[in-house]
Amino acid sequence: AQKITQTQPGMFVQEKEAVTLDCTYDTSDQSYGLFWYKQPSSGEMIFLIYQGSYDEQNATEGRYSLNFQKARKSANLVISASQLGDSAMYFCAMRDGGYNKLIFGAGTRLAVHP
Amino acid sequence: DTGVSQDPRHKITKRGQNVTFRCDPISEHNRLYWYRQTLGQGPEFLTYFQNEAQLEKSRLLSDRFSAERPKGSFSTLEIQRTEQGDSAMYLCASSRAGDRLWKTEAFFGQGTRLTVV
Repeated sequence: AQKITQTQPGMFVQEKEAVTLDCTYDTSDQSYGLFWYKQPSSGEMIFLIYQGSYDEQNATEGRYSLNFQKARKSANLVISASQLGDSAMYFCAMRDGGYNKLIFGAGTRLAVHP
Repeated sequence: DTGVSQDPRHKITKRGQNVTFRCDPISEHNRLYWYRQTLGQGPEFLTYFQNEAQLEKSRLLSDRFSAERPKGSFSTLEIQRTEQGDSAMYLCASSRAGDRLWKTEAFFGQGTRLTVV
């Protein structure tokens, strides 16, 4: 069965520093996608970055990058140069080729301190 | 605004009442999803539509829940005889058709926060 594990309930980072949010996944499928979403206190889920199982390069989107280690089944999100506006919940999610739905982890709450 | 729109944003209802939520997806997206998120948890899948067809339902979707997507455009989620355990954020998402299912990201609305008192 598909499963996403985020082991860090909360993380703190100083403004302008980099932070890594952990995500491990479990699937028996060869074709799958990994997604990170940000959820501010307003409640909306904001798509950040995507990594496909066949992608050889780690995905990057501005200050976000995804450290994809397929053999370890991990897809950690790296946020560089943290900003106060990065304070939010962050969710890792997965979709494989057999299912349409996204499976989410429990999330990590990130607090950026000035 | 061409994002996913949900209405209402907040709903407070008494236990036993029926409630209905609406979701308007991004216009060119043919896939529509409903998720439920309780406090401190990630969203959990409820149901999925491709155009007007409801193709998958979670076991979380009890008989009191029903979802429709007439004409493949907006969708409604109705909860009958609400219970306190139904209190949650109900999120709608949509995604475009793609040749590789696992590649398409879902875009979410701002959610409807339901409180059952």
